[in-house]
Amino acid sequence: KNQVEQSPQSLIILEGKNCTLQCNYTVSPFSNLRWYKQDTGRGPVSLTIMTFSENTKSNGRYTATLDADTKQSSLHITASQLSDSASYICVVSPNSGGYQKVTFGTGTKLQVIP
Amino acid sequence: ETGVTQTPRHLVMGMTNKKSLKCEQHLGHNAMYWYKQSAKKPLELMFVYNFKEQTENNSVPSRFSPECPNSSHLFLHLHTLQPEDSALYLCASSQDGGLAGGPRDTQYFGPGTRLTVL
Repeated sequence: KNQVEQSPQSLIILEGKNCTLQCNYTVSPFSNLRWYKQDTGRGPVSLTIMTFSENTKSNGRYTATLDADTKQSSLHITASQLSDSASYICVVSPNSGGYQKVTFGTGTKLQVIP
Repeated sequence: ETGVTQTPRHLVMGMTNKKSLKCEQHLGHNAMYWYKQSAKKPLELMFVYNFKEQTENNSVPSRFSPECPNSSHLFLHLHTLQPEDSALYLCASSQDGGLAGGPRDTQYFGPGTRLTVL
């Protein structure tokens, strides 16, 4: 069964600090992995997407890494800001099986405090 | 704003009511989606429409009935719902309806409708 597990479930950090969120998956065969940011009361917004051949992708202070061999991804946030407080969702898509095989993680809830 | 709007933002309904959720995208996209987001659970894909045609129904109960009159509008008709259907219902759109991971497959989400079934 395809699974996406994210850790930690929740995290509190001080403003200005860095943090790393983890995503482990068992989806196979793999096509791509996305990280979304979801602010409270809003829909998710795509941050990064990586295909099998990519092992890092940056979007401003967000840097995602992918190790397709170990089926792990991480999202690193540099110099956190209060506006980074949100849930971060990892989504893994297969290269066959259609939408029913797209697997979402439950998310990591990040709180950045002053 | 993402270019995807949803109305209403909040809805409370009884189990015998009939209501509809509306989604509109102003991005010129060809694919639209309905998702259900329950507390502490992953996003669940419900329906996919590509060029107004339903291409995916993820085993959704018949008390949820989608309608896509054109590429810009998507409705979710609700009837005889159960309390466990209470959740955030999200609409999304993308340029194409594929999964290859290119920019044309990036989904843009609306803010959602918070549904409470009493």
